Amino acid sequence: NAGVTQTPKFQVLKTGQSMTLQCAQDMNHEYMSWYRQDPGMGLRLIHYSVGAGITDQGEVPNGYNVSRSTTEDFPLRLLSAAPSQTSVYFCASSYPGLRGKAFFGQGTRLTVV
Amino acid sequence: AQSVTQLDSQVPVFEEAPVELRCNYSSSVSVYLFWYVQYPNQGLQLLLKYLSGSTLVKGINGFEAEFNKSQTSFHLRKPSVHISDTAEYFCAVSPGGATNKLIFGTGTLLAVQP
Repeated sequence: NAGVTQTPKFQVLKTGQSMTLQCAQDMNHEYMSWYRQDPGMGLRLIHYSVGAGITDQGEVPNGYNVSRSTTEDFPLRLLSAAPSQTSVYFCASSYPGLRGKAFFGQGTRLTVV
Repeated sequence: AQSVTQLDSQVPVFEEAPVELRCNYSSSVSVYLFWYVQYPNQGLQLLLKYLSGSTLVKGINGFEAEFNKSQTSFHLRKPSVHISDTAEYFCAVSPGGATNKLIFGTGTLLAVQP
């Protein structure tokens, strides 16, 4: 069982560069979310999706775009990276029947210099 | 708006001692409550959850938590910890049963010493 797969695991970007963090799940889950984890701040929700074609903003959406063209994939795009986006990013998936139990990927550690 | 407070950023404890990790929440609507654990360099995994019913909830690895509505708390306990319990623990809520998104606390690092 692959579960939730995030790529890449590590990335260094220069300020102003763009990139896409990939997230894929093979459990046919309707819900997918992106969080960022920063020291002393816990995890904060960036964007989430309740199904293919449906996305919405979380607590900290500025500087990030998402789309959900398939159930399996939920990429997170940084259009113009800034040092403030240095963080560890986690993708998670779930579905209503799990009643809050989310499956997390292993994370992507992003450094913007 | 909903929020979760974990006042202790780090809790050092000796092996085989009991531990309590504190969590308080605020919400104007009913919530589901969760504890997640994150081992070093890994993603999060669910320890336990409270949805309704009995206020004492048992989870994996010998952990349990008690929901206290009057004190808006959901503290995590374990009677005897092991070195392998060293990890970061996150309390979370999903407001109004909206289980598609979670609001996390800032986390508590449980550091178990021999």
